[in-house]
Amino acid sequence: RKEVEQDPGPFNVPEGATVAFNCTYSNSASQSFFWYRQDCRKEPKLLMSVYSSGNEDGRFTAQLNRASQYISLLIRDSKLSDSATYLCVTYNTNAGKSTFGDGTTLTVKP
Amino acid sequence: DGGITQSPKYLFRKEGQNVTLSCEQNLNHDAMYWYRQDPGQGLRLIYYSQIVNDFQKGDIAEGYSVSREKKESFPLTVTSAQKNPTAFYLCASSEAGGNSPLHFGNGTRLTVT
Repeated sequence: RKEVEQDPGPFNVPEGATVAFNCTYSNSASQSFFWYRQDCRKEPKLLMSVYSSGNEDGRFTAQLNRASQYISLLIRDSKLSDSATYLCVTYNTNAGKSTFGDGTTLTVKP
Repeated sequence: DGGITQSPKYLFRKEGQNVTLSCEQNLNHDAMYWYRQDPGQGLRLIYYSQIVNDFQKGDIAEGYSVSREKKESFPLTVTSAQKNPTAFYLCASSEAGGNSPLHFGNGTRLTVT
């Protein structure tokens, strides 16, 4: 079993749709959590950090459930420009390193 | 502008040759990382360094080597011992501690034939 698991996708949604991505992690030593966005053949870029209290940035909302070791990302009112691969990332403070999920691919269609 | 610079963007080598990928950052970050990404897959950690003159193996270190002689630089050598070196290589840096996100370079696409 992988340390960070994501919905395999792909997700194909129409413009304006709401879409949710899920991520589970198995290492209870994980202390920090992030969502990154990666466009095709490009480097990943930070989308948002994920806090226990939940956090929102415009159309994006991230949630963390430490008890269930579960992270989510909600995208509202999808835009064509949201088409990308979304990577769930955990950071293990003890090991000093990050672990990436394999990503979920989103395609938003007109 | 502060950032991470990887060079070259594309690299072609013959099988059996060692090749070194460059990674330089001017963000004053203590930690630096090397990841490998294969098509349709996530990032896998090769090596990482939390401080100058120290580094640790990641999940797939076999066939690779690194050095961290300067805070700004973390070059990766892909040796001939690496069985499947063709991949997209990404260098990243972060501030010390886990709350800081990773900042990535643009990556180097290595093709070995």
